Amino acid sequence: AQTVTQSQPEMSVQEAETVTLSCTYDTSENNYYLFWYKQPPSRQMILVIRQEAYKQQNATENRFSVNFQKAAKSFSLKISDSQLGDTAMYFCAFMKQGGGYQKVTFGTGTKLQVIP
Amino acid sequence: DSGVTQTPKHLITATGQRVTLRCSPRSGDLSVYWYQQSLDQGLQFLIQYYNGEERAKGNILERFSAQQFPDLHSELNLSSLELGDSALYFCASSDVALGEQYFGPGTRLTVT
Repeated sequence: AQTVTQSQPEMSVQEAETVTLSCTYDTSENNYYLFWYKQPPSRQMILVIRQEAYKQQNATENRFSVNFQKAAKSFSLKISDSQLGDTAMYFCAFMKQGGGYQKVTFGTGTKLQVIP
Repeated sequence: DSGVTQTPKHLITATGQRVTLRCSPRSGDLSVYWYQQSLDQGLQFLIQYYNGEERAKGNILERFSAQQFPDLHSELNLSSLELGDSALYFCASSDVALGEQYFGPGTRLTVT
């Protein structure tokens, strides 16, 4: 079974600064996807960024980028130029897929507070 | 707006009762997933349907069941409700080829 670990329950960052959220996972699979989801106080789950395991290039999406280290099974999220609207819970998720079957495992989340 | 709709938004019911939560996936998505999020907890995967067929099962209690209809909407049925079933229930849908899941706004269930 896959496990996803987010070792930082809470973090804070000053507005306009950069913060990195950690995520490690354990799997024997070779082909999989990794995601970061954001859950603001509204509780809506919002996809932030995705990474396919077969791609060596790290995914980026505006101010959000990942550092994907496949051998180390590490998938950290970097938020640059932090904004107040980035305050949220951030969940790392692992997905294995095949034949119309998807099973997603979420980490326990990191609560990020952006300080003005 | 993710394109996934869930009804109702809030539900308050008593222990022992049965409720049905409804989800309509994004247009074109064949897969629907159900998750449970208890207060200040992560998401627990319950079940996945793909084009009407059950495809994956997670930590879903026997008191819970789900189905996906020919028009691809899905329903999650929760019966013999207990206080501990109080949670936010999310539905998500995906285009299996792309992988990522898009979440609905959730149904907040309160069991009193």
